[in-house]
Amino acid sequence: KNEVEQSPQNLTAQEGEFITINCSYSVGISALHWLQQHPGGGIVSLFMLSSGKKKHGRLIATINIQEKHSSLHITASHPRDSAVYICAVRRETSGSRLTFGEGTQLTVNP
Amino acid sequence: DTGVSQDPRHKITKRGQNVTFRCDPISEHNRLYWYRQTLGQGPEFLTYFQNEAQLEKSRLLSNRFSAERPKGSFSTLEIQRTEQGDSAMYLCASSAWQETQYFGPGTRLLVL
Repeated sequence: KNEVEQSPQNLTAQEGEFITINCSYSVGISALHWLQQHPGGGIVSLFMLSSGKKKHGRLIATINIQEKHSSLHITASHPRDSAVYICAVRRETSGSRLTFGEGTQLTVNP
Repeated sequence: DTGVSQDPRHKITKRGQNVTFRCDPISEHNRLYWYRQTLGQGPEFLTYFQNEAQLEKSRLLSNRFSAERPKGSFSTLEIQRTEQGDSAMYLCASSAWQETQYFGPGTRLLVL
């Protein structure tokens, strides 16, 4: 079992829909990252959080440390949001290394 | 553009050849990371540096792999005697201490 599990693996939505991607982890962490990867490989960091909730534009990330669970929400989705969204954790005991989930492929249709 | 650059962006090589990749991090970042990503998978940690010191290496980093960051600025990742299983995207990231990691565009390696 992977230490970081994401669901769903694939998600197709219509433009304007509210989207939720989930991340569960099984280890103690010091931080959790949400990353976006577009075709061609470039990865952009969306959020780094260790508690509570963060918001940036139409993106919202939440984390529940007790339940070892985080969600990424996209409001009013748009075709340009189509990408792979990756959850990654920095373990309490691993220094700076990140452990990644396998990613969620999001496709938003116009 | 995150400010982290990698060179080359693509590399095709024959099995058994040596390859070297370069990463230039954001200049004020003291930490530099190498990850590897195969198709359809999330990235996997390879190694990281704090300034010029290599602080951690993954078991994935066999003795055919070596990484350096000689002056605490750019880093190189060398793979000797490449194998087809080395085909992957090699990603570099940098950060200031344990803050947000900024990723480069990656080097896509294909071993024939």
